[in-house]
Amino acid sequence: AQSVTQPDIHITVSEGASLELRCNYSYGATPYLFWYVQSPGQGLQLLLKYFSGDTLVQGIKGFEAEFKRSQSSFNLRKPSVHWSDAAEYFCAVVRYGGSQGNLIFGKGTKLSVKP
Amino acid sequence: GAVVSQHPSWVICKSGTSVKIECRSLDFQATTMFWYRQFPKQSLMLMATSNEGSKATYEQGVEKDKFLINHASLTLSTLTVTSAHPEDSSFYICSARGPYQPQHFGDGTRLSIL
Repeated sequence: AQSVTQPDIHITVSEGASLELRCNYSYGATPYLFWYVQSPGQGLQLLLKYFSGDTLVQGIKGFEAEFKRSQSSFNLRKPSVHWSDAAEYFCAVVRYGGSQGNLIFGKGTKLSVKP
Repeated sequence: GAVVSQHPSWVICKSGTSVKIECRSLDFQATTMFWYRQFPKQSLMLMATSNEGSKATYEQGVEKDKFLINHASLTLSTLTVTSAHPEDSSFYICSARGPYQPQHFGDGTRLSIL
């Protein structure tokens, strides 16, 4: 069965430091991948998506992600973290055979930012 | 960008009452809408998928008589929690997508049943 794994439950970084959030997926073919961010008590905001083409994807708020087929990974990165980036981050993949675009979510990584 | 409005954002009600949550796509036609449930500090669990004008498809384990979903137009879907009980308390999030579009999420509804 398809799955998405986010190995890190909670990450703390200092403001201004670089960030990498890990995401691994299990799927034989090329997946459709997403990163969403959720602030406390709110819905999810799409940061970026990968469907095909260039494996380095640029998103909003200075985030980028790189699709690596050999590692089944889609890690999210940001060169310099801001305090406002503190939130929960979810990686997701479209469910195979899900013509309607059902998403399978990872369990999320909570990001805390130290001043 | 695509905007999804979810209302209400927070509702508290007595056990046994029914609660309706609305999900609207404000600037695009949502051919498909999704309803999720999120428990504290956990990921989103898909409850059901609905296409405009047809019956919703429920995930395994979700009671369709308990969680009534209506997708009457291309911009509106509603989730009604019937005869709600404390165990139904949760954070409910809707999302919507148009053709060849990613899902866009509402801000969620926090439901508390006393």
